[in-house]
Amino acid sequence: AQSVTQPDARVTVSEGASLQLRCKYSYSGTPYLFWYVQYPRQGLQLLLKYYSGDPVVQGVNGFEAEFSKSNSSFHLRKASVHWSDSAVYFCVLSSSNMGYKLTFGTGTSLLVDP
Amino acid sequence: EAAVTQSPRSKVAVTGGKVTLSCHQTNNHDYMYWYRQDTGHGLRLIHYSYVADSTEKGDIPDGYKASRPSQENFSLILELASLSQTAVYFCASSDLAGNQDTQYFGPGTRLLVL
Repeated sequence: AQSVTQPDARVTVSEGASLQLRCKYSYSGTPYLFWYVQYPRQGLQLLLKYYSGDPVVQGVNGFEAEFSKSNSSFHLRKASVHWSDSAVYFCVLSSSNMGYKLTFGTGTSLLVDP
Repeated sequence: EAAVTQSPRSKVAVTGGKVTLSCHQTNNHDYMYWYRQDTGHGLRLIHYSYVADSTEKGDIPDGYKASRPSQENFSLILELASLSQTAVYFCASSDLAGNQDTQYFGPGTRLLVL
């Protein structure tokens, strides 16, 4: 069975600092990986997605993520965070063999201190 | 910009009562989904649909029914609401099966069952 683990439930960083949100997945096949962001009282929005190729993928608002097959990870990074980045971030797993199914991590709540 | 709207945005229901949550998309997408989100958890798939007049069970369908009367509309029905169904419900749509293409989420409906 597939699963996604986001080990950090809450992360607090200062504005202007760098950020890494961790994501580990468990799946025996070839994964499709996504990061979604949920701002307060809003639905989820796609930040970036990885299907294949270059393991570093660029997303919106300066976010990027790096896929590592050997580590089964898909960590999200940003060089310099802004207070408006405060939100909940979800790592999501899927695959062509999984059909419709998206498997969500439990989310990491990011607070950026202004 | 893809658009998914949900109504109502919040609702208080009584145990044993009937609740209908509505979702409307203007994206011309074939796939639509209903998820629930519980505090501290990721999203879990309840029902989905890939064509009008047809619905499929997701991972946690018990206690829920779905209806897709048209491509644009997808409803989630709780025939006998229970306390355990208190959660935030999200509707989403996508152009291809959700494992590949971006899912566009609505703003969510907060349901409180008393």
